[in-house]
Amino acid sequence: GAGVSQSPSNKVTEKGKDVELRCDPISGHTALYWYRQSLGQGLEFLIYFQGNSAPDKSGLPSDRFSAERTGGSVSTLTIQRTQQEDSAVYLCASSLVAGDYYEQYFGPGTRLTVT
Amino acid sequence: GNSVTQMEGPVTLSEEAFLTINCTYTATGYPSLFWYVQYPGEGLQLLLKATKADDKGSNKGFEATYRKETTSFHLEKGSVQVSDSAVYFCALTPPNAGGTSYGKLTFGQGTILTVHP
Repeated sequence: GAGVSQSPSNKVTEKGKDVELRCDPISGHTALYWYRQSLGQGLEFLIYFQGNSAPDKSGLPSDRFSAERTGGSVSTLTIQRTQQEDSAVYLCASSLVAGDYYEQYFGPGTRLTVT
Repeated sequence: GNSVTQMEGPVTLSEEAFLTINCTYTATGYPSLFWYVQYPGEGLQLLLKATKADDKGSNKGFEATYRKETTSFHLEKGSVQVSDSAVYFCALTPPNAGGTSYGKLTFGQGTILTVHP
């Protein structure tokens, strides 16, 4: 079946612009996670959704970052007024249910470059 | 806070060599431990996991044992293949206050493995 998909696969934007990154999880998966992979910080957690609610937003780096999930499915990560340090690969993962016993399936990522 | 430390890479081996990638962790309580792999051009995928002390996770010839006394989860494979060339990430999820985890992963920095024929 279809895996986790993310769009766009690559995004180049100018400093100060806003960007939206999209994640389509596996159908029926209730838990959705966003992570960021950058050279300086490695792989780091950003935010977690259970259904449409985000019980843990602790990894969002600043208030320029926000995310939402609608219909218990698609999620959008928005970065406002992008900075060069936002350049990274943004990964989305979903699992059937939140928890250690349920595998997280990762998407291919969106590579964001801020010039 | 919770953290994961992996051995520095890159690691370069010849085919059929023995592989060890060291991983140690710092966490409160009893975390669950994972190894993820990222093959060239592909997304992250779960390789194996262990959810309690002394458990051994295994998959595709890879093994790792959860050692609470040494806070370690070293990855091993007896005979590597060229197709094992990838980036390997050790990770943990901590239990929350209620004793259940929602799966928030904390990753190590990753180890690049290259296997030559």
